[in-house]
Amino acid sequence: DVKVTQSSRYLVKRTGEKVFLECVQDMDHENMFWYRQDPGLGLRLIYFSYDVKMKEKGDIPEGYSVSREKKERFSLILESASTNQTSMYLCASSQDGSSYNEQFFGPGTRLTVL
Amino acid sequence: RKEVEQDPGPFNVPEGATVAFNCTYSNSASQSFFWYRQDCRKEPKLLMSVYSSGNEDGRFTAQLNRASQYISLLIRDSKLSDSATYLCVVIPSAYSGGGADGLTFGKGTHLIIQP
Repeated sequence: DVKVTQSSRYLVKRTGEKVFLECVQDMDHENMFWYRQDPGLGLRLIYFSYDVKMKEKGDIPEGYSVSREKKERFSLILESASTNQTSMYLCASSQDGSSYNEQFFGPGTRLTVL
Repeated sequence: RKEVEQDPGPFNVPEGATVAFNCTYSNSASQSFFWYRQDCRKEPKLLMSVYSSGNEDGRFTAQLNRASQYISLLIRDSKLSDSATYLCVVIPSAYSGGGADGLTFGKGTHLIIQP
């Protein structure tokens, strides 16, 4: 069964802290994504990776960075957390080379920055 | 500017009724379309792809209208379990070889099926 896991379901951090959100997929997918989801704003793409060590900015990359050292793992980093980064963060993966392109999502991490 | 628009609802529909909602897109070069379902406090999951000729999966029918640039989702004989938020996804290309440029989720339509 396809699976995307995220390191934490709930996380509380303080302003200025460095935050790591981890995502692991077991499907050998090439593509991995980080989104945030906020009421009234929907899902917004932060960063995307189509291969190990490759990354592309999404719609809202400011304040975030990513790391993909291994194919199965995609990390989202908040260098200095701010209160406006309080949100639900969703990781997803998809197979490359197919027009089907179903994205499989992890359960999400609800991050609160105080 | 890429845009995908959905009526946020909520759509309150009695059990057993038929309900339909649309998703409009502004990029005429869009090629791939999907409907995802998201239950409260859960992650989105693929409901169905939308093919040019339209497609049906049980009680669900998805259609694409390229001329008017919208996709639709029709749910027949609605069940209480259909209550969820329905997200449309629009992708501008066949999306092979990497790249997420233009990949856009709508904000979702909230559907409530009432007994």
